[in-house]
Amino acid sequence: KAGVTQTPRYLIKTRGQQVTLSCSPISGHRSVSWYQQTPGQGLQFLFEYFSETQRNKGNFPGRFSGRQFSNSRSEMNVSTLELGDSALYLCASALRPGQANTGELFFGEGSRLTVL
Amino acid sequence: AQTVTQSQPEMSVQEAETVTLSCTYDTSESDYYLFWYKQPPSRQMILVIRQEAYKQQNATENRFSVNFQKAAKSFSLKISDSQLGDAAMYFCAYRSQNTGNQFYFGTGTSLTVIP
Repeated sequence: KAGVTQTPRYLIKTRGQQVTLSCSPISGHRSVSWYQQTPGQGLQFLFEYFSETQRNKGNFPGRFSGRQFSNSRSEMNVSTLELGDSALYLCASALRPGQANTGELFFGEGSRLTVL
Repeated sequence: AQTVTQSQPEMSVQEAETVTLSCTYDTSESDYYLFWYKQPPSRQMILVIRQEAYKQQNATENRFSVNFQKAAKSFSLKISDSQLGDAAMYFCAYRSQNTGNQFYFGTGTSLTVIP
């Protein structure tokens, strides 16, 4: 069974540009959540999608947005990139939101974004 | 908002020895879940162990066990008989019972295993 797949794995952008990251969850998983990981800050929750609806949103500016498609694949977009957006962006999937109480979030390997 | 604190940015342990990673959290909730996740150098995060706050018994998974002190809001991870494959970044995480898949993570502890 394929795991969570994130693309691209690495990308470099310049300030002011925008970027779109993609996440394909494990087959059958309908909940997708996104996290930003930076050194010293740990993982910060961005948002969660289930059945194409955003269920939860973290404390990030409106430049960060996302969506989920009918096949459960998700994308997140960051517009007007800033230097501080450089981070590892992790996607995690689960069968359903409530499944998280078992800890069964399955993470991808992440997309490493560098903003110059 | 809930906060999770890992006060040890780096730890090291000799192979076959025992190491304890610390975690404290702040919450006003009575029902929640706590987790330790491991992120090896390949970067894919995997679940190590989970604890339900309503359970008094400490969770154990093979060489991994926790010391859950609810009143003190402390949740430490003990790794016994450390192996080279245990080298990784370890994250403590909190999840409310009612927030879907929104986890609150600590800043992580980088564990080095010395042969």
